[in-house]
Amino acid sequence: GDSVTQMEGPVTLSEEAFLTINCTYTATGYPSLFWYVQYPGEGLQLLLKATKADDKGSNKGFEATYRKETTSFHLEKGSVQVSDSAVYFCASTIYNQGGKLIFGQGTELSVKP
Amino acid sequence: NAGVTQTPKFQVLKTGQSMTLQCAQDMNHNSMYWYRQDPGMGLRLIYYSASEGTTDKGEVPNGYNVSRLNKREFSLRLESAAPSQTSVYFCASQETGRNTEAFFGQGTRLTVV
Repeated sequence: GDSVTQMEGPVTLSEEAFLTINCTYTATGYPSLFWYVQYPGEGLQLLLKATKADDKGSNKGFEATYRKETTSFHLEKGSVQVSDSAVYFCASTIYNQGGKLIFGQGTELSVKP
Repeated sequence: NAGVTQTPKFQVLKTGQSMTLQCAQDMNHNSMYWYRQDPGMGLRLIYYSASEGTTDKGEVPNGYNVSRLNKREFSLRLESAAPSQTSVYFCASQETGRNTEAFFGQGTRLTVV
């Protein structure tokens, strides 16, 4: 069945460090892919998305490229800030079920000054 | 903009008690979802509703019931709470379509003792 796998956290970085959070998916067909972010005490909010192979989603300095050949959608940021501390979720649409999403387990990021 | 509103934000129940979690959205979305979030498990779908008057089971429906009485509101009921239902519950809504963003409420933190 469809699934999403993320690298385990927590990830702890110093301010201005480079961030990569790995995400791979297994899916029937060609899903749309998303990164959501959850700040402490809040619900999830969309960070970026990509809807077809080789698309790059970007927002707030974060980027992710839809790689069909490696079934990956890794999240990157060149220089993290303390305010980026949050839990990040990778998600994929499920084949033939409209926009219904399946989520990875989440990766907690902590950025230290 | 209210978006997706969940009530209550916090709740403590005794084993065997019942309660209903309320969710309302003001974006005129067709699809609504209930997820639970547990450490290391990501978000797991409990129930979803593709349109008013329709509901379907998700990944972890046991112990829960739902009601979609109108387009705005989607409630989740625990008939006889168990400690295994201690979790954070999120409601989400989404316009129909595989590329559309899901919007989340702020969550309900439920503890069953």
